[in-house]
Amino acid sequence: GQNIDQPTEMTATEGAIVQINCTYQTSGFNGLFWYQQHAGEAPTFLSYNVLDGLEEKGRFSSFLSRSKGYSYLLLKELQMKDSASYLCAVMDSNYQLIWGAGTKLIIKP
Amino acid sequence: DVKVTQSSRYLVKRTGEKVFLECVQDMDHENMFWYRQDPGLGLRLIYFSYDVKMKEKGDIPEGYSVSREKKERFSLILESASTNQTSMYLCASSFIRGEVETQYFGPGTRLLVL
Repeated sequence: GQNIDQPTEMTATEGAIVQINCTYQTSGFNGLFWYQQHAGEAPTFLSYNVLDGLEEKGRFSSFLSRSKGYSYLLLKELQMKDSASYLCAVMDSNYQLIWGAGTKLIIKP
Repeated sequence: DVKVTQSSRYLVKRTGEKVFLECVQDMDHENMFWYRQDPGLGLRLIYFSYDVKMKEKGDIPEGYSVSREKKERFSLILESASTNQTSMYLCASSFIRGEVETQYFGPGTRLLVL
């Protein structure tokens, strides 16, 4: 079966750095997405990785290792507004998105 | 900016009622999707559509149907609502099938079936 695993909840301090991990087992791979979802709102796109390595976008970076079936989202200089759920999703060989359950990130002052 | 709108943010229905959830996107996207989101679970695909009048079953189509009469509009229908269909329903749209493209989501409809 297809499976996406990510931690249920993480806590970090304002101004710090946090890494949210995602491991996957899917039938084929056509890229990995990270989305941010604030409580009660729609998921919004953060990043897309299809090749191994690190993609940096401001305070957010996303890393992919296809051989390990692993990705992480790195958030730097955390702000209170970063409190949200972070969803990992993999596009399989049929171009369907397989979603993880999301990681709820709590930022403390 | 892409805009995906959903007809209601909150909805309360009774068991056995027929429920219509509407989704409209304004970016001429070919693909549209209906998901449900439940605590502790990832987004689960109910139905999707790659073109007008076309529909394909997702992972959990039972108890649901869809309609795509116009490119910009994709409706989800609960023929006879049941309490286990209480959930957050998210609509999304994206570009052409087979190309890796970002899905854009609507704000969601939180449905409570009593």
